[in-house]
Amino acid sequence: EAQVTQNPRYLITVTGKKLTVTCSQNMNHEYMSWYRQDPGLGLRQIYYSMNVEVTDKGDVPEGYKVSRKEKRNFPLILESPSPNQTSLYFCASSLSGGAGGYTFGSGTRLTVV
Amino acid sequence: GQQVMQIPQYQHVQEGEDFTTYCNSSTTLSNIQWYKQRPGGHPVFLIQLVKSGEVKKQKRLTFQFGEAKKNSSLHITATQTTDVGTYFCAGLPNFNKFYFGSGTKLNVKP
Repeated sequence: EAQVTQNPRYLITVTGKKLTVTCSQNMNHEYMSWYRQDPGLGLRQIYYSMNVEVTDKGDVPEGYKVSRKEKRNFPLILESPSPNQTSLYFCASSLSGGAGGYTFGSGTRLTVV
Repeated sequence: GQQVMQIPQYQHVQEGEDFTTYCNSSTTLSNIQWYKQRPGGHPVFLIQLVKSGEVKKQKRLTFQFGEAKKNSSLHITATQTTDVGTYFCAGLPNFNKFYFGSGTKLNVKP
């Protein structure tokens, strides 16, 4: 089944403790992206990747890092999480830049206390 | 600033009533997409529109792309409880990158 797999689904952590949210897709998509979803703000792009070793900042990149060492994986790293990063995070992939539609993962609900 | 504006933010309807959500951009869009997110779920791609004035239908859902390619709408005829969720548009201005609207949350009373 074609899908984007995110882990974990839920995570509660403390301020400053580094964490990684994993994302993997099995569709051989070149384009992958991370979004955060907050009430009233819709989906805001954090980082995206056009292909292996090619990443770029989205609209809200501060406090996040990403890497794209393999085509299928696009982990999101929070080096020193803060409470304002409490949010619902989605990973998405598409064939090229979103044209034809994104396939989203199931989401990661992150709480930073 | 937000590239793509979506209204209304919320809509409550009685089952059987119609529903429309609108998406507007200040710049021309080369492409617009619509997604549905069920409560507790993730956005799911519904459709993509690329031509000026394009109209597409999926059963009770009608999607339109404006003549100037700056606005779009999603209309649901005779809503059902299964239509509950948040509907997002995502616009692509000038082949740059997609910007998502803030979504319209639809609640349908049985």
